Amino acid sequence: ETGVTQSPTHLIKTRGQQVTLRCSSQSGHNTVSWYQQALGQGPQFIFQYYREEENGRGNFPPRFSGLQFPNYSSELNVNALELDDSALYLCASSLGRGGGAYEQYFGPGTRLTVT
Amino acid sequence: AQSVAQPEDQVNVAEGNPLTVKCTYSVSGNPYLFWYVQYPNRGLQFLLKYITGDNLVKGSYGFEAEFNKSQTSFHLKKPSALVSDSALYFCAVNSGNTPLVFGKGTRLSVIA
Repeated sequence: ETGVTQSPTHLIKTRGQQVTLRCSSQSGHNTVSWYQQALGQGPQFIFQYYREEENGRGNFPPRFSGLQFPNYSSELNVNALELDDSALYLCASSLGRGGGAYEQYFGPGTRLTVT
Repeated sequence: AQSVAQPEDQVNVAEGNPLTVKCTYSVSGNPYLFWYVQYPNRGLQFLLKYITGDNLVKGSYGFEAEFNKSQTSFHLKKPSALVSDSALYFCAVNSGNTPLVFGKGTRLSVIA
């Protein structure tokens, strides 16, 4: 059974640029959630995808967008990067739509630095 | 709105002693409660969850947690701490299909 993988591991971007982060779900999982974890904080929910459709969104602006593909892998896109976007971005996969009783399995994260 | 409070930023315990990491929550409806652990430069790793049933749940690596509805708490415990337990611990809650909400985390340091 393959775990959740994310790429790239680290990324440095300049303010105003755009970035795409990628995530491969654990085998058999149809739900992917993305989180932003700022330094010294807990993960903050960005959005969730269930079977290729957005299924819930946190308090993040529209410049944060995503996709889920038929194989349940996913992308997080951030446009017009700001310094405050610097964080660890975590992808998590799970069974079942929405939150619910299913535990989520996290990838190792992508560390994004915006200069 | 859902929320989680982890009142201690840091918990220090001697190896072999019991440990407790505290968590209280606020949620509308029946809570689903989770504990995750994060090692340096790693993602979060699931430890245990409470959904329904027995208030004492057992999880990975000898950890357990007790759900207390009246005190809205879900404290993480382990009878005998190991140095390798040193990490960042997160409590999280959701209810129904709401997104998972995490606490700010508690850094556990187990001293040999």
